[in-house]
Parts: sequence; C-alpha cells; structure tokens
Amino acid sequence: KQEVTQIPAALSVPEGENLVLNCSFTDSAIYNLQWFRQDPGKGLTSLLLIQSSQREQTSGRLNASLDKSSGRSTLYIAASQPGDSATYLCAALSYKLIFGSGTRLLVRP
Amino acid sequence: EPEVTQTPSHQVTQMGQEVILRCVPISNHLYFYWYRQILGQKVEFLVSFYNNEISEKSEIFDDQFSVERPDGSNFTLKIRSTKLEDSAMYFCASGKLLPGGSYEQYFGPGTRLTVT
Repeated sequence: KQEVTQIPAALSVPEGENLVLNCSFTDSAIYNLQWFRQDPGKGLTSLLLIQSSQREQTSGRLNASLDKSSGRSTLYIAASQPGDSATYLCAALSYKLIFGSGTRLLVRP
Repeated sequence: EPEVTQTPSHQVTQMGQEVILRCVPISNHLYFYWYRQILGQKVEFLVSFYNNEISEKSEIFDDQFSVERPDGSNFTLKIRSTKLEDSAMYFCASGKLLPGGSYEQYFGPGTRLTVT
C-alpha cells in the first residue's frame, strides 16, 4: 500500500532564502509525482508534474526532482517570497493520487 | 485556460439528508475523480470514473456514495444520507492523458460540505 510522507511538516524562513521540501513514497511503481500548492481553505493548484521516466521539472523559481529507486522527490524553491507562504503537497500517482500531509511554509518578510 | 468548476462552494445540510455535489470537468479530459479532505487531514481518494463507469473506488466510497455523469458535461457526487463525519472539503478532478501513458489531474476549487 502506497504511503507518502513529507518532511518537514512546517517551515518558517526569511524572505530570499532557498529551500527544499522533501517527499518520500513507499512504492516505486508510480506513473508520476505531482506537487501542489494549497492556500488555507482553498483548492489545489498544480505546480509541477514529473513523469516516472523523468528526473526533474522546472517552472520559474521551482524545481522538482524525482528518484524513483530511492522513493524520493524534492521541491526546491529559489529566492523565497512572502507570497510563497502556503501548504505544499506532494502526491504519487498509480491509478489514483496518494497525498502526503504537506509542508506548511511561512516566508517572513 | 480551461478550469474544473464545482458548485456549490459551500453546502450546509442536516444529518440524514441527501446532497449532490456538482462538477464540470475540463471538456476534453477522459478521467474524472472525487477526493475529499477532512479539516486538518490528508487529501483522500474517493472514486475514479472513466468511460461512464467507476474504474476504482476507495474503502470510504461505500453504498452511501454514488457518482454520475448525467449529460456528458457534469459529473456529480451524491451522498444519500449524510453523517457528521462526511463534513469535509470535496474536490473534483479531471485527468488529461500525457504522452507515455500517465495522466495529469486538474483540481477544482472544492465544495465545503458541513453536516450539522
């Protein structure tokens, strides 16, 4: 049974810092790994999707990597801004998305 | 850019009542899903729907729940007799097939269901 874990659960950083969010999954038989952003009380905004044959994807200041063999993905945020404050969720896709609990990020001005 | 839409944004109902949550997926997507998120907990898969039938469902998706695609555009989740523990945010998603055979899911803004 697939389980997805995210570390840390919460993170507070000053504006401008580069940071790394971690995601691990127990079953490497996945189709892809998707990172989402969730603002309080809101829906899920897809940030990046890495297919199982890929190693990384980039969008602006965000870079996500995938290592299927070790069951890990990381989301790298460069030059963080207060507007990046949100919960970041990773989800592994087999026939359904299995979500982690998320990392709550606070970027302090 | 096309989006998944959901109505209503908030539904309050009394225990034992039936509710229908509505979703309009992105028009050329073939896969449809419902997920839910109880306050403070993980997003959980409920059901997937493809080719006018359920393709997978979770243990949560018992006989109380049903899904329909009544008219080729709407996708609905019905809860027959709501319980207090059904209170959650319900997300609809639609899936776009990607080269290589996997798919990317696009989520709607959610319907907050409150059962009193």
